[in-house]
Amino acid sequence: GQQVMQIPQYQHVQEGEDFTTYCNSSTTLSNIQWYKQRPGGHPVFLIQLVKSGEVKKQKRLTFQFGEAKKNSSLHITATQTTDVGTYFCAGPVLGSGNTGKLIFGQGTTLQVKP
Amino acid sequence: SQTIHQWPATLVQPVGSPLSLECTVEGTSNPNLYWYRQAAGRGLQLLFYSVGIGQISSEVPQNLSASRPQDRQFILSSKKLLLSDSGFYLCAWTRQGLGTEAFFGQGTRLTVV
Repeated sequence: GQQVMQIPQYQHVQEGEDFTTYCNSSTTLSNIQWYKQRPGGHPVFLIQLVKSGEVKKQKRLTFQFGEAKKNSSLHITATQTTDVGTYFCAGPVLGSGNTGKLIFGQGTTLQVKP
Repeated sequence: SQTIHQWPATLVQPVGSPLSLECTVEGTSNPNLYWYRQAAGRGLQLLFYSVGIGQISSEVPQNLSASRPQDRQFILSSKKLLLSDSGFYLCAWTRQGLGTEAFFGQGTRLTVV
């Protein structure tokens, strides 16, 4: 069946270091979305990528969508303690039509040491 | 603007007791609605989704059920809770259409004892 895998599962960095999480889909995606979940909180939408090879930036966060639209990455430059949380990628479920169903990766949990 | 309300925030229930979690969305009409469960330190598992009133699709066989009595109300229920039902339950909505982002409620942390 359709799968979305994320690596690494956990990452501990020193404040100021960079961080990258990778997302790989078993199928081509029409779009990919990224969410952040703070400890004890709920997932919050960050961004959506639609085009092959697309790159988007939000301040220190850079999101990329692969040329084949099967992989994506999130890179954080110079991490801060406010970046702590779990980052999820998600894509539409194959054949889900207009139901809006998403399949989520398992997430990458980022810990930042001050 | 749209908002989503989910309650209660935390719940401790004994095994065998019933469950009812409620979620309401404001500021939009005819949303797609979802219930997810998140085990500790894990990803999001889709339990149910609904594209309209009275229309419920179950994603995994389980001890839970869902209902949508009104356009913007989604309820997660169980007649008899199991220990394995413990987890973090999240309600979410999306607009109708392909590739729209999901908006999550605050979540309910359920502990079955």
